[in-house]
Amino acid sequence: DTGVSQNPRHKITKRGQNVTFRCDPISEHNRLYWYRQTLGQGPEFLTYFQNEAQLEKSRLLSDRFSAERPKGSFSTLEIQRTEQGDSAMYLCASSRRLAGGENRGQETQYFGPGTRLLVL
Amino acid sequence: AQSVTQLGSHVSVSEGALVLLRCNYSSSVPPYLFWYVQYPNQGLQLLLKYTTGATLVKGINGFEAEFKKSETSFHLTKPSAHMSDAAEYFCAVTFYNQGGKLIFGQGTELSVKP
Repeated sequence: DTGVSQNPRHKITKRGQNVTFRCDPISEHNRLYWYRQTLGQGPEFLTYFQNEAQLEKSRLLSDRFSAERPKGSFSTLEIQRTEQGDSAMYLCASSRRLAGGENRGQETQYFGPGTRLLVL
Repeated sequence: AQSVTQLGSHVSVSEGALVLLRCNYSSSVPPYLFWYVQYPNQGLQLLLKYTTGATLVKGINGFEAEFKKSETSFHLTKPSAHMSDAAEYFCAVTFYNQGGKLIFGQGTELSVKP
């Protein structure tokens, strides 16, 4: 199975520490998305990439958050100076933009298993 | 503002009974609508989606949903619940030329009683 993978699956850290998560999308998928899901809520969009370009960032993504996709393949999400409010499940998804040059947005996003972060 | 509302954070049905999970969206432009399922400690799996064309959409595991523009709804149904259907269900929407970013509802937890 060559689905979306995320590492680590779980991370416990102390407040103030930095953490980094990795997402490996489905190969040939040129779009990659990050979402955050808190307990009892639906996922919230954080940011997305098309190839290596970061095209949009949510206002939820404070200055302590940074995401990269250096070669248009895997992506990393770093949180600096973690706070207890950062505790959540961080989900990655990938999709393949439809051909034709139109930004349709109707492509299916395939989700990884998520990284659960707990900040003590 | 564009949003998704799922009525009922928790729904309980008996095995074999009809499953109905409600989803309404708010938007002034045509939506693309999705239903995802999430099992404990796992990511989201697509059940079905509506983009254009036929408004009754069939998905995996016997689920289907109907897009009703006049009611701004996209309710999910299954004629007969199975124990394995117990999970969290999320309705989501996106729109043309918005990069595909999904706006999710808050989710509905489905319990199935034997």
